[in-house]
Amino acid sequence: QVQLVESGGGVVQSGGSLRLSCAASGFTFSAYDMHWVRQAPGKGLEWAAFIRHDGNAKYYADSVKGRFTISRDNTKNTLYLQMNSLRPEDTAVYYCAKDSFQWDSWGQGTLVTVSS
Amino acid sequence: EIVMTQSPATLSVSPGERATLSCRASQSVGSDLAWYHQKPGQAPRLLIYGASTRATGIPARFSGSGSGTEFTLTISSLQSEDFAVYYCQQYNKWPPWTFGQGTKVEIK
Repeated sequence: QVQLVESGGGVVQSGGSLRLSCAASGFTFSAYDMHWVRQAPGKGLEWAAFIRHDGNAKYYADSVKGRFTISRDNTKNTLYLQMNSLRPEDTAVYYCAKDSFQWDSWGQGTLVTVSS
Repeated sequence: EIVMTQSPATLSVSPGERATLSCRASQSVGSDLAWYHQKPGQAPRLLIYGASTRATGIPARFSGSGSGTEFTLTISSLQSEDFAVYYCQQYNKWPPWTFGQGTKVEIK
């Protein structure tokens, strides 16, 4: 079955960096577009970044543009989110989600806490 | 950017009763509308896509309707496992993909 497992979250100081990973299994990873979605504590869902199945198109929310970089390694079935210049408002659970036109599979999330 | 607005913010319902949740888009999204629910500490789960198609494994008590700018999620007879936060999401015009702010369905 489809499985998405995020890792790499933790506590980082404001201005610091983190790289999140999302390990995919149970489907042909290279055939699917992928997203990162985040959720601040007690808040709703916010789309953060998108990457096309071949890595040749990437989009970002205005709130992370210029600071975050989405990438993927289809040989390792892994999605990444490089987060630089982190701010306290980036504190959230970060989910990866598989886009098969509908977003039918999500990981369990990884918590990123940015301290000021 | 398409803004999604859900109402009400909180819905108090007794088990076995019907729940009706609303979602409005700031411009037409056709039928490119999904519903998710999320329980505390868990990831969102897809319930409905294409405004009215149930995702795999979703019980028939969940139904979605609407098109354009007005959408409804109906839960015909609430079960204990249905008490959660519900989000709508448009995927018609992107980026960005946008979510509503959520409706919390709580036990009355």
